[in-house]
Formats: sequence, structure tokens, C-alpha cells
Amino acid sequence: DGGITQSPKYLFRKEGQNVTLSCEQNLNHDAMYWYRQDPGQGLRLIYYSQIVNDFQKGDIAEGYSVSREKKESFPLTVTSAQKNPTAFYLCATHPTGVTEAFFGQGTRLTVV
Amino acid sequence: AQSVTQLDSQVPVFEEAPVELRCNYSSSVSVYLFWYVQYPNQGLQLLLKYLSGSTLVESINGFEAEFNKSQTSFHLRKPSVHISDTAEYFCAVSGSDTGFQKLVFGTGTRLLVSP
Repeated sequence: DGGITQSPKYLFRKEGQNVTLSCEQNLNHDAMYWYRQDPGQGLRLIYYSQIVNDFQKGDIAEGYSVSREKKESFPLTVTSAQKNPTAFYLCATHPTGVTEAFFGQGTRLTVV
Repeated sequence: AQSVTQLDSQVPVFEEAPVELRCNYSSSVSVYLFWYVQYPNQGLQLLLKYLSGSTLVESINGFEAEFNKSQTSFHLRKPSVHISDTAEYFCAVSGSDTGFQKLVFGTGTRLLVSP
């Protein structure tokens, strides 16, 4: 089944713990993105990667880290340095030469 | 850099009534414009897009949006809404300065359709 898979759908963590959100795609898209969604604030870009082994900070990168070792995978780590990590996280891909992005189903992270 | 403004955070409407969701953008470069829809606890789905050509674009489920360059707007309209249209709608822009590879989103408008 082709698409973008984010796992898990719901994630609970204790404050101070690092947590990694998974994003896998089998669409052969070059660019991958992580967005954070909070009520009333829309989507804000955390990190993006246009090719393997390269990534750039988005607008709210502090407290987050990523890697892009494979074209198919772009995991996001929410570190303990992120002051307010509870949010809905969306992964997206963007194929070269195509105008729109494609989104996964999201991971809702709750830090208690 | 681009920015997108969706002034209405929530729009309540009765079933079968018309609706308009407003979107204004700012940019100093050429842009592509998009409307995405999000149902609860799901990702975003593309509703329609403007790239070039005809300023009026339509979706398969009856929505349409008109690109107005002079007013820097891309408002979304539907002449008769259904209960199933209840969702959050996001306007987004990408610019030629990033090779149209980076989307900037508005804060979203929640459309609430009641019987």
C-alpha cells in the first residue's frame, strides 16, 4: 500500500524524556517535512529535507532534531529541550516537479 | 518570504447555505496557492490549487476558489454546503524563492455545518 506512514498515532511521554516520531514513505518522493500543529496556530515548519543526508531548520526547530539516512525515512526526535512538546505532528512529502505536498495521518504527542 | 492570513477562525453555517472562507497572502515573488482540508485527527488533504492560467479553480466536491492578484486573495467558496463539509480548512502558499518547495500555512478556518 503506497503512502506516508506515521507511527504511532498516539504517544504519551513523561516530561524530560526524549521521544522519536517515525515517518516512512514508499512514494519515492525526494523532499520530506515535519510540521507541528497547535490549535489556532495552523501548521508550523520544524525541519525539512530535500535530499538524503541533508536537512534544514524550519521556523521552530529549537528542541527538535532529525536525520535523513534513507530516502524513505525522516524521523523526528522531540528532545527534553522542547519546552512545550504536546502537539499534533504531521509529516509530509513533496516530489520534485510536483506542486503540492502529501501528508501522513499525524502523531498526537502528549507529554505529562 | 510569504505569509498567509485567514481572518476567520470559525465559520458556522446551516446545511445547504453558501459559504466563503477568506484567505489573503503576502509575497514579493510568484506564488502557487492551495487549499487543504483536515478532518479530526487526520492529516491534510489537498482540496484545490492555483498555479497559473484561469483564476477560478474548482474541486471535485463543489468547492471553488478564485485567485485575485490585485487583492492578494484566494477565497474558498461553496454554493451549498453539506454536513460532511464540517472540517478545518487551511490556505497555503509556496513561492518561487524556495523553488515552490516550501509551504507556508494560514492558521486555519473551522467550518461548522449544522442541520
